[in-house]
Amino acid sequence: GAGVSQSPRYKVAKRGQDVALRCDPISGHVSLFWYQQALGQGPEFLTYFQNEAQLDKSGLPSDRFFAERPEGSVSTLKIQRTQQEDSAVYLCASSLALGRENTGELFFGEGSRLTVL
Amino acid sequence: AQKITQTQPGMFVQEKEAVTLDCTYDTSDPSYGLFWYKQPSSGEMIFLIYQGSYDQQNATEGRYSLNFQKARKSANLVISASQLGDSAMYFCAMREEGRDDKIIFGKGTRLHILP
Repeated sequence: GAGVSQSPRYKVAKRGQDVALRCDPISGHVSLFWYQQALGQGPEFLTYFQNEAQLDKSGLPSDRFFAERPEGSVSTLKIQRTQQEDSAVYLCASSLALGRENTGELFFGEGSRLTVL
Repeated sequence: AQKITQTQPGMFVQEKEAVTLDCTYDTSDPSYGLFWYKQPSSGEMIFLIYQGSYDQQNATEGRYSLNFQKARKSANLVISASQLGDSAMYFCAMREEGRDDKIIFGKGTRLHILP
């Protein structure tokens, strides 16, 4: 597709369940970011990939959160043993490598809204 | 410490007036980029404008301009001739290019345009 695709768009999980959120970036985009956005707040950085390399995972809130991008394209954010505080919109964004001809701006997906009961 | 600070949680502006949304940033990296994004109630994130730290001129994109004051570490967004469709959340963001290129966001300003 032309844009960043995220699935599922909506996920309801019972506390303690594991969830997996998928992101399919724009073809050719080497950089991929995951953000967590609570209602009325700004996107909080979770983790960042350049191709298959996870360059920064400093924003992952706990060891229950895990992200991967094994072939440098599709990425999955996994949350184990979900808690109520994990309820948020999870945004995925991709970008071209920063260069002289582009700003490296992020192209966002529509997000995955997770509700933990 | 906050790297991106947006001090205005909410603003109300009359239609057709100009509006300035404040953003200050904190970095010791000489090479960085600043972005503004718009997020309407539908939730999508829309890229508006970019300013590089080495750019000599302030960025402009249609009705959007960025008032870049490097010494003050300020990157305010100016929207001219506001329209009802400008009502949305606005986020300032920064990429520190000497580091690992991650992009971090401020907490946002909710802009309401009044008819």
